[in-house]
Amino acid sequence: SAVISQKPSRDICQRGTSLTIQCQVDSQVTMMFWYRQQPGQSLTLIATANQGSEATYESGFVIDKFPISRPNLTFSTLTVSNMSPEDSSIYLCSVYRASGANVLTFGAGSRLTVL
Amino acid sequence: AQRVTQPEKLLSVFKGAPVELKCNYSYSGSPELFWYVQYSRQRLQLLLRHISRESIKGFTADLNKGETSFHLKKPFAQEEDSAMYYCALVTNAGKSTFGDGTTLTVKP
Repeated sequence: SAVISQKPSRDICQRGTSLTIQCQVDSQVTMMFWYRQQPGQSLTLIATANQGSEATYESGFVIDKFPISRPNLTFSTLTVSNMSPEDSSIYLCSVYRASGANVLTFGAGSRLTVL
Repeated sequence: AQRVTQPEKLLSVFKGAPVELKCNYSYSGSPELFWYVQYSRQRLQLLLRHISRESIKGFTADLNKGETSFHLKKPFAQEEDSAMYYCALVTNAGKSTFGDGTTLTVKP
């Protein structure tokens, strides 16, 4: 399965600032996604990162708050903008159907704490 | 819209006892169902997918379309099975819905 590298693995940020999380995959993938896992909760899909076009956001998530870039088939970034303590969460990158396998593979996640 | 329900937030069994983690789903199309596991301080990883009908670490899961269920079972639980387990439904477009997760604790 695909190997996904995410960075930073964790960060502590001040309220009102923004942080960009990077996701690098070791092979070209068509479907790439960003998830959020809030403390004690399950995973929630934020958006689908589309290569060469704007990301597709799920209900409750907007581009101004979570801008996403996908410049090529192996890389994506998620920015958490104007952070508040409610944004404290684990953010995960995932890919689907890498190497022909119909599975979701996840990065290790980026644990974000907003003070 | 699809939905995944894991009715048990916590499940505790003794070592050697059978364990069943329940998962029910609703989806109008033909779903792909998965079980993911997250051990303490590790990343989320795939455990099983319904399409392969395999047994991993002694776990099995059968898709029951009539009951819209995909329960995870193991006949003899081990302490190292203690983890958080997530049932997930994935559409053909790769969009997924996860259940709330079940924390399994296997006591010695």
